[in-house]
Amino acid sequence: DTGVSQDPRHKITKRGQNVTFRCDPISEHNRLYWYRQTLGQGPEFLTYFQNEAQLEKSRLLSDRFSAERPKGSFSTLEIQRTEQGDSAMYLCASSRGGSGANVLTFGAGSRLTVL
Amino acid sequence: QQQVKQSPQSLIVQKGGISIINCAYENTAFDYFPWYQQFPGKGPALLIAIRPDVSEKKEGRFTISFNKSAKQFSLHIMDSQPGDSATYFCAARYGGATNKLIFGTGTLLAVQP
Repeated sequence: DTGVSQDPRHKITKRGQNVTFRCDPISEHNRLYWYRQTLGQGPEFLTYFQNEAQLEKSRLLSDRFSAERPKGSFSTLEIQRTEQGDSAMYLCASSRGGSGANVLTFGAGSRLTVL
Repeated sequence: QQQVKQSPQSLIVQKGGISIINCAYENTAFDYFPWYQQFPGKGPALLIAIRPDVSEKKEGRFTISFNKSAKQFSLHIMDSQPGDSATYFCAARYGGATNKLIFGTGTLLAVQP
């Protein structure tokens, strides 16, 4: 399977702990996105990478959130000092550049529960 | 502020019937309008998409109708099947380099056999 992989699929943590999610995009895709989805809502944009450069961050991405894509391949999303309001599904998506940029392929997501 | 409004929130259709989901937007900077289908435990998957210079696009049983002047677009699923039961999201993309999508709130479709 050459889709977008996310790990872990589920994470339960206590408030105040740090968590990190990993995304492995489709190998030939140079664009990578993080979205957050809460129950009953559509995905909300968090951040965007083109290769290793983080080109846009949403205001939703507070200073407790940090995302990296160090070698332009996999990406990590870290949440420090988690709060109950951080509980959500964190979705990663990737796409080609150019004419292929319209087609975002999403992973199955990493579900975070903060107790 | 919700930039893409989607209705209905949920929809029940009999097998073989037509499912219709509607979306409306305000921002004229949007230049691409995809629909995504999401099954439980899965990420959203692109179903069909349209650009604002086209009024209709059909792919198999799925059709998008687009009304640029009204800033509205809709998804029609013909001959709905139980396997179509899923959550459907409309989305709109800001023109420019980021390709950022703004999603609607979703419609939970149940197709009864």
